Amino acid sequence: SQQGEEDPQALSIQEGENATMNCSYKTSINNLQWYRQNSGRGLVHLILIRSNEREKHSGRLRVTLDTSKKSSSLLITASRAADTASYFCATDARSGNTPLVFGKGTRLSVIA
Amino acid sequence: DAGVTQSPTHLIKTRGQQVTLRCSPKSGHDTVSWYQQALGQGPQFIFQYYEEEERQRGNFPDRFSGHQFPNYSSELNVNALLLGDSALYLCASSLRGSGARTEAFFGQGTRLTVV
Repeated sequence: SQQGEEDPQALSIQEGENATMNCSYKTSINNLQWYRQNSGRGLVHLILIRSNEREKHSGRLRVTLDTSKKSSSLLITASRAADTASYFCATDARSGNTPLVFGKGTRLSVIA
Repeated sequence: DAGVTQSPTHLIKTRGQQVTLRCSPKSGHDTVSWYQQALGQGPQFIFQYYEEEERQRGNFPDRFSGHQFPNYSSELNVNALLLGDSALYLCASSLRGSGARTEAFFGQGTRLTVV
């Protein structure tokens, strides 16, 4: 079963705008990771945020984590056409080396 | 530093056949996990290998089996292929480490089509 649920399922924006994607999950987590996937190929790791962190930045990416609401958001600022992809959040549970559990993803289209 | 490599990139098989997919983890990583991704869905966990043993398994039938070699590379085998096994198969590597979880890095995947 998939724990993470991304919202929205699809998002279309103009180049230069900001894109925000949300992820909700059900059980307590150790870490939450965001991945990008282009055209059904491999997943590219974007950022990992630990359960004791609230915000993390990497270039044009900003990730927040609210463990009380069991939710995370990914903000891409000043979007580019090359950001067009599917974005997934993945969580791993507190107990040991548990596998990543993915949501269904958000399909982002950035229009030039 | 090579990342995670998977082979082959594409594969077409007939129902009932068997298939073997291969994965070489990122240098320095010791744990390999396999995922199945159907079209329009997120990846689903199949199993995880560490120290040449299957450590965890998702909700997949015994037709799905695997192996990890001493050099940490891994194989995924699927027997008696069904049409529903058509999917992108992803391999992820990570470092089990001392407890703090590290990032999992994925290969480009193998696109399996069963006809």
